[in-house]
Amino acid sequence: EAQVTQNPRYLITVTGKKLTVTCSQNMNHEYMSWYRQDPGLGLRQIYYSMNVEVTDKGDVPEGYKVSRKEKRNFPLILESPSPNQTSLYFCASSLRAVPNYGYTFGSGTRLTVV
Amino acid sequence: TQLLEQSPQFLSIQEGENLTVYCNSSSVFSSLQWYRQEPGEGPVLLVTVVTGGEVKKLKRLTFQFGDARKDSSLHITAAQPGDTGLYLCAVRNSGGYQKVTFGIGTKLQVIP
Repeated sequence: EAQVTQNPRYLITVTGKKLTVTCSQNMNHEYMSWYRQDPGLGLRQIYYSMNVEVTDKGDVPEGYKVSRKEKRNFPLILESPSPNQTSLYFCASSLRAVPNYGYTFGSGTRLTVV
Repeated sequence: TQLLEQSPQFLSIQEGENLTVYCNSSSVFSSLQWYRQEPGEGPVLLVTVVTGGEVKKLKRLTFQFGDARKDSSLHITAAQPGDTGLYLCAVRNSGGYQKVTFGIGTKLQVIP
């Protein structure tokens, strides 16, 4: 089944404790992206990757890191999480970064930082 | 960054009613996408519209892209409880299409 898999689904952590949210897709998509979703603010793009070893900042990159060493994986790293990073996170992929191609989203990771 | 405005923000209707939600901007887009998101899940792509004036139908859902490619609408005929969810429009930003911007969405509740 074609899908984007995120792990974990739920995570509660403490301020300052490094964490990684994994994302993997099995569709050979070139483009991958991370979003956070907050009430009243909608989905905001954190980082995106056009292809292996090519990543760039979205609209809200502060406090996050990403890497794209393999085409299928795009982990999101929070080096020192803070409570304002409590949010619902989504990984998404598309075949290419062109207007006609839409996203396939993962099921989300609900992160709470206390 | 292009701003997408969706209206209404909230909509609660009875089963069987018709409804229209809107996605508007002052910018021109190459294409526009509509997604539906159910609570606790990721958005699911419904449709991509590309040509100004284009109309696409997906069962009881009708999507229209404005002639000037600045706006779009989603019309649902005879709404059912299964249509309940958050409806999002999204565009790839011009100048490379690397970034994708979403509207805040219309939260639809269909009451049986």
